[in-house]
Amino acid sequence: QKEVEQDPGPLSVPEGAIVSLNCTYSNSAFQYFMWYRQYSRKGPELLMYTYSSGNKEDGRFTAQVDKSSKYISLFIRDSQPSDSATYLCATTNFGNEKLTFGTGTRLTIIP
Amino acid sequence: EAGVTQFPSHSVIEKGQTVTLRCDPISGHDNLYWYRRVMGKEIKFLLHFVKESKQDESGMPNNRFLAERTGGTYSTLKVQPAELEDSGVYFCASSQDSLWTGSYEQYFGPGTRLTVT
Repeated sequence: QKEVEQDPGPLSVPEGAIVSLNCTYSNSAFQYFMWYRQYSRKGPELLMYTYSSGNKEDGRFTAQVDKSSKYISLFIRDSQPSDSATYLCATTNFGNEKLTFGTGTRLTIIP
Repeated sequence: EAGVTQFPSHSVIEKGQTVTLRCDPISGHDNLYWYRRVMGKEIKFLLHFVKESKQDESGMPNNRFLAERTGGTYSTLKVQPAELEDSGVYFCASSQDSLWTGSYEQYFGPGTRLTVT
């Protein structure tokens, strides 16, 4: 079993829609949770990170972590064609800095 | 500020040959990481340097892989001899602070696409 599970998609939504991306994880020791965005032929770019459970908002992006159900979510409001990319969730233990990634979800925003 | 750079961007070699990948982290970043993505799989951790010391090399697949970071600046990852299953995209990342200090972000390079034929 993978430590982080993520639906690879692909996911296509119309411009302006709310996008919901999700991951589940199995290791209860994970404390830090990240969302990366990766454009084609580029490296992953950190969008947001949260510590433990709760919500974090940054512009059109909201990250949620529910440690009780081991569930990570990223919401994108008012989606734009420029949001089309692969979104990767990642997590790590406190003090253990190696990142454990999900497989990534390929998202396309249709104009 | 220049980001993480990697060289080459793409390398095609034959099975049994040697390849060396290079990573230049962001200036001043003590932490340097190597990751790999094999086709269809998730990005996986290979190893972590703090300055010139290997902090964690638990992800290195076998002794055909050798990573160095002499002087605590750039790093090289050598694969010798290369096998077909080594094909994939090798990412390098760097960070300034660790989780212990509460300030954390790993900046990734564009990756080196390695094809072993």
